[in-house]
Amino acid sequence: DVKVTQSSRYLVKRTGEKVFLECVQDMDHENMFWYRQDPGLGLRLIYFSYDVKMKEKGDIPEGYSVSREKKERFSLILESASTNQTSMYLCASSGQGANTGELFFGEGSRLTVL
Amino acid sequence: AQKITQTQPGMFVQEKEAVTLDCTYDTSDPSYGLFWYKQPSSGEMIFLIYQGSYDQQNATEGRYSLNFQKARKSANLVISASQLGDSAMYFCAMREGYNFNKFYFGSGTKLNVKP
Repeated sequence: DVKVTQSSRYLVKRTGEKVFLECVQDMDHENMFWYRQDPGLGLRLIYFSYDVKMKEKGDIPEGYSVSREKKERFSLILESASTNQTSMYLCASSGQGANTGELFFGEGSRLTVL
Repeated sequence: AQKITQTQPGMFVQEKEAVTLDCTYDTSDPSYGLFWYKQPSSGEMIFLIYQGSYDQQNATEGRYSLNFQKARKSANLVISASQLGDSAMYFCAMREGYNFNKFYFGSGTKLNVKP
């Protein structure tokens, strides 16, 4: 069974803390993504990566950075967490030559910043 | 302009009845893909169905079908014979061309199936 695994389902952090959200996929996918989900706004792309060490900004990259040192792992980093980063974070992956190109998602990480 | 519009924030349907969730999209790219995802309260996004812009027939997957009206730029999801387990958020999404950074999501429709 194909799988995208996010390291933490629920996190509570304090303002100013550094936060790491980890994502691992076992499908040998080239593309990996980090989305943020907020009520009424749908999913918004933060960053995506199409290869190891390669990354591109999405629609809302401010306040975030990413790391992809290995093909299967894509990390989202909040250098200094702020309360407006309280949200649900979804990791996804997709294959480069996939027929439909659908995204496969992890279960999400719900982050609360106090 | 919104790339994906879902105008129904919430809907109710009686168990065993059919329901249509609306989705309109906006793109000038002749090549695109349309997707529907289901998100139960547990949080994971589950891929349901795909329609390519060049597909002549409407996509179907079990109880799910996609009513694709290209000229109207609509891609409505039809769920037949609703089940209690269908209660969830449903997201319409579009990928423009084959650009994975151009994957847009709507704001979602919360479907409640009543027994």
